[in-house]
Amino acid sequence: DAGVTQSPTHLIKTRGQHVTLRCSPISGHKSVSWYQQVLGQGPQFIFQYYEKEERGRGNFPDRFSARQFPNYSSELNVNALLLGDSALYLCASSTPTGYEQYFGPGTRLTVT
Amino acid sequence: AQTVTQSQPEMSVQEAETVTLSCTYDTSESDYYLFWYKQPPSRQMILVIRQEAYKQQNATENRFSVNFQKAAKSFSLKISDSQLGDAAMYFCALTTGYALNFGKGTSLLVTP
Repeated sequence: DAGVTQSPTHLIKTRGQHVTLRCSPISGHKSVSWYQQVLGQGPQFIFQYYEKEERGRGNFPDRFSARQFPNYSSELNVNALLLGDSALYLCASSTPTGYEQYFGPGTRLTVT
Repeated sequence: AQTVTQSQPEMSVQEAETVTLSCTYDTSESDYYLFWYKQPPSRQMILVIRQEAYKQQNATENRFSVNFQKAAKSFSLKISDSQLGDAAMYFCALTTGYALNFGKGTSLLVTP
């Protein structure tokens, strides 16, 4: 079975621009979570979606938003990019009853 | 609030030897799960082992085992017969629901 997939792999944006990152969960998984990992730190929780509903949100500004589609794939949107948004963005999927989360390879975002 | 602390930024082990990575955590919840994730330079976050708080028996996955001390809120990872492929960042993580809370990680170097 295919694991969690994310696109694009790398992305370079300019301050003030908008970016959309995409994630497809493992087949059969209905929950998708997003994390931001700044260099040298552990991942920080941004959102979790289950059945297209937001289940939880971390301490991130409203510039960050996400949605989940009927096929359970997900998009993370970030508006008005700041230099501090440069990070590895990780997507993870899990079964609704499972606490285990399985991660994708990540999208490396660089804001210049 | 939940916190996860990894006090060893770097550890080194010789091939075939055993190494233990430390993790302490804090939560007021009685039901929670603990995980160790491995992140090699390829940056894919890989689930190594998990422990349910309600289980007294320490989890084991092949060469990986944990020492779960619930009263002390300690959750260490032991890697036996270390291999070159074990070199990576190791993150300890805690969840009580949907969000994973990560420590800052321990970088493990494996020398021949």
